[in-house]
Amino acid sequence: AQKVTQAQTEISVVEKEDVTLDCVYETRDTTYYLFWYKQPPSGELVFLIRRNSFDEQNEISGRYSWNFQKSTSSFNFTITASQVVDSAVYFCALSEAKGANSKLTFGKGITLSVRP
Amino acid sequence: DTEVTQTPKHLVMGMTNKKSLKCEQHMGHRAMYWYKQKAKKPPELMFVYSYEKLSINESVPSRFSPECPNSSLLNLHLHALQPEDSALYLCASSQGSGEGQETQYFGPGTRLLVL
Repeated sequence: AQKVTQAQTEISVVEKEDVTLDCVYETRDTTYYLFWYKQPPSGELVFLIRRNSFDEQNEISGRYSWNFQKSTSSFNFTITASQVVDSAVYFCALSEAKGANSKLTFGKGITLSVRP
Repeated sequence: DTEVTQTPKHLVMGMTNKKSLKCEQHMGHRAMYWYKQKAKKPPELMFVYSYEKLSINESVPSRFSPECPNSSLLNLHLHALQPEDSALYLCASSQGSGEGQETQYFGPGTRLLVL
């Protein structure tokens, strides 16, 4: 069975600080997909990134960067120079690519508060 | 344009009422999903429609009845709900058959309160 662990529950930082959100996953499959979603107070889950298990390249998108390490089963997310608008709940999720109807397994989420 | 819309944004209903939640997407996606999210919890999958056919029902009580009139629309009919059904109901869509590699795009949700 697949599992996603987000051990941090709440993180509070001051604006302009860098912050890393941790994600550790478990799966028996060799082919799988990892996702990060952002959920601001408005409620909508906003897709941030998808990474497949064969692509260990780190990715950078503006202030956001992701570090995928299969050796430690981790897919960590770093926000550089955080801003108040980054305040949200962040979910890491895992999906196995076994044909149709695969399901997303979410972690419990990390509540990030960025103070001015 | 990755947009999924949901109506209404908020809904208050009594336990004897019948109401419906509506979800619409115009991205040409063929898989649509309903999730339930309680406060401070991750979303929980309820139903998946793939090519307008129900492909997953996560043992959801029959007081929740999904309907997919066409590939762009997804409804969730509510009847005789309980106060514990109060939650944020999220709709999502993905490109094809609902396979694991597909990215799910979510709507803004309907906040439901059952009195």
